[in-house]
Amino acid sequence: GQQVMQIPQYQHVQEGEDFTTYCNSSTTLSNIQWYKQRPGGHPVFLIQLVKSGEVKKQKRLTFQFGEAKKNSSLHITATQTTDVGTYFCAPFKAAGNKLTFGGGTRVLVKP
Amino acid sequence: DVKVTQSSRYLVKRTGEKVFLECVQDMDHENMFWYRQDPGLGLRLIYFSYDVKMKEKGDIPEGYSVSREKKERFSLILESASTNQTSMYLCASNGRRMVYGYTFGSGTRLTVV
Repeated sequence: GQQVMQIPQYQHVQEGEDFTTYCNSSTTLSNIQWYKQRPGGHPVFLIQLVKSGEVKKQKRLTFQFGEAKKNSSLHITATQTTDVGTYFCAPFKAAGNKLTFGGGTRVLVKP
Repeated sequence: DVKVTQSSRYLVKRTGEKVFLECVQDMDHENMFWYRQDPGLGLRLIYFSYDVKMKEKGDIPEGYSVSREKKERFSLILESASTNQTSMYLCASNGRRMVYGYTFGSGTRLTVV
């Protein structure tokens, strides 16, 4: 089952505004990955976070791993219509090299 | 670019039929996975394999089986399709280094009538 809870489930954002989606776990995670799925598409890998407190940036996207490695966040600056989609966090289980996906945050952008 | 190819984009099958979903990857990846995606439930792992002829149950294996006779191919089998198996099925693969993440296929939308 799902090991992490993603909030919010849905996010309506005005174009140009910032927003953040959160991924919370009750257990310590070894690492976590983020994926984006466009409407009608398949999940695409964005990034992996491994270290406590790690922050990584991809253009307008900022990914953070919590100090206790129990939560992660994705912050998007100046949202564009191309940001529409569902963003999934996925903690990695070393046993079997497998990912368990959170429920996702579905992002809709109002032009 | 890594490619994961799923044989069908859309499938319609009848209840009780045996259904084969095929997945092929071209990057010599060791690990392959089958997920199903349903609204409100996210992606749930059905089965995975980290080597030829190896298979491991995921979180929801009931009603499914898999086959991996060659490294590049991972098949999902619905022994007797039921309407509750109507879903989007996604295949994924990755190599030993998780830093590159999973590569997903485009998915097969299966409808069981």
